[in-house]
Amino acid sequence: DVKVTQSSRYLVKRTGEKVFLECVQDMDHENMFWYRQDPGLGLRLIYFSYDVKMKEKGDIPEGYSVSREKKERFSLILESASTNQTSMYLCASLTRVTGGNQPQHFGDGTRLSIL
Amino acid sequence: AQKVTQAQTEISVVEKEDVTLDCVYETRDTTYYLFWYKQPPSGELVFLIRRNSFDEQNEISGRYSWNFQKSTSSFNFTITASQVVDSAVYFCALSLYNTDKLIFGTGTRLQVFP
Repeated sequence: DVKVTQSSRYLVKRTGEKVFLECVQDMDHENMFWYRQDPGLGLRLIYFSYDVKMKEKGDIPEGYSVSREKKERFSLILESASTNQTSMYLCASLTRVTGGNQPQHFGDGTRLSIL
Repeated sequence: AQKVTQAQTEISVVEKEDVTLDCVYETRDTTYYLFWYKQPPSGELVFLIRRNSFDEQNEISGRYSWNFQKSTSSFNFTITASQVVDSAVYFCALSLYNTDKLIFGTGTRLQVFP
């Protein structure tokens, strides 16, 4: 079974802090994703990565950056946290096959509050 | 542009009732995939089903069934004889062929009362 582990279930930070959310997967998946989930908006893609040191912007990248130094780890960085970044953050991974479109495997989520 | 609409924000049923969750999608591509995920209170999204655009056969898995109709751009999900453990938020999602990006609907919260 694929395991996607997010480092924290709950996190409270202050406005202006630099925040790191960590995600690790144990199945050697090439692709990894960061989403944020807000009531009434569903899941929105922030960034994704299809290889080590490779990244692409998703639909809402503003205010975020990412790091993928090792294949199994994908970090989301809030450069200067703001209250509108209070949200649930979900990490996902999947293996790349010809034709794509494999199911993504998700972590348990990190509920981040910015005060 | 692609879009997924789940018009039902919240549904409440009593145990053993059947319930259908609606999903309508928009895309001009002819090859695409549709997904359903379940998010229980624990938070993790659990994959339920993937269906490609060329396969319109209905699928049944235990108490779960899915009805895919290209003519109406719908991919509806029915739970038969619902149980309290079915209480969760359910997401429908779309991805275009040979891409790994998912476009999610806004989700439907299902509450099953004993």
